[in-house]
Amino acid sequence: DAKTTQPPSMDCAEGRAANLPCNHSTISGNEYVYWYRQIHSQGPQYIIHGLKNNETNEMASLIITEDRKSSTLILPHATLRDTAVYYCIVRVGGNAGNMLTFGGGTRLMVKP
Amino acid sequence: ETGVTQTPRHLVMGMTNKKSLKCEQHLGHNAMYWYKQSAKKPLELMFVYNFKEQTENNSVPSRFSPECPNSSHLFLHLHTLQPEDSALYLCASSQGLTGGRRGELFFGEGSRLTVL
Repeated sequence: DAKTTQPPSMDCAEGRAANLPCNHSTISGNEYVYWYRQIHSQGPQYIIHGLKNNETNEMASLIITEDRKSSTLILPHATLRDTAVYYCIVRVGGNAGNMLTFGGGTRLMVKP
Repeated sequence: ETGVTQTPRHLVMGMTNKKSLKCEQHLGHNAMYWYKQSAKKPLELMFVYNFKEQTENNSVPSRFSPECPNSSHLFLHLHTLQPEDSALYLCASSQGLTGGRRGELFFGEGSRLTVL
């Protein structure tokens, strides 16, 4: 799986959009971009994933650059409950767990 | 509530004790996983089971012994652990090894283990 680089921490004001960047310059053509988050003292939670196109669901939007070397997770209206560590992961399709490598992630602090 | 339940949530044990961690999933999944999360370290995959059969052992020391009696239950038996084994142990499940259409893992809340 390709390696990802994320800023270690970010702050965001409550109600504003949180934009979390991720670099994955060595991504291969068959690798997907996944985002998970881990709220304190809980297990990681799936947020969204994509291959080439931008994706949106009820939790977030995922913007992938045309060259696929970077992506941005957008939480459109951050709340205090969105305070968590956000992990950007790239992996091939196929095995869900045994090829899912979590790096250090970005610790997002949403402030009132 | 993710549908994956882990017990106990907290466990303190001595190096000579034998204890077990339990994971149960109510999602109808066939694949189950154990992960280890140490302080300031990335999540590490330990074991993978698919339809009760172990498909992955990520070079885990033998003092950790997994057991998967059926597709809904997964255990991690612990014996003669070391203080450096103190960590958050996370169980996860997925719809087959592919994780279904979304390739998604569902995690439990973890068991916080402290080895004295």
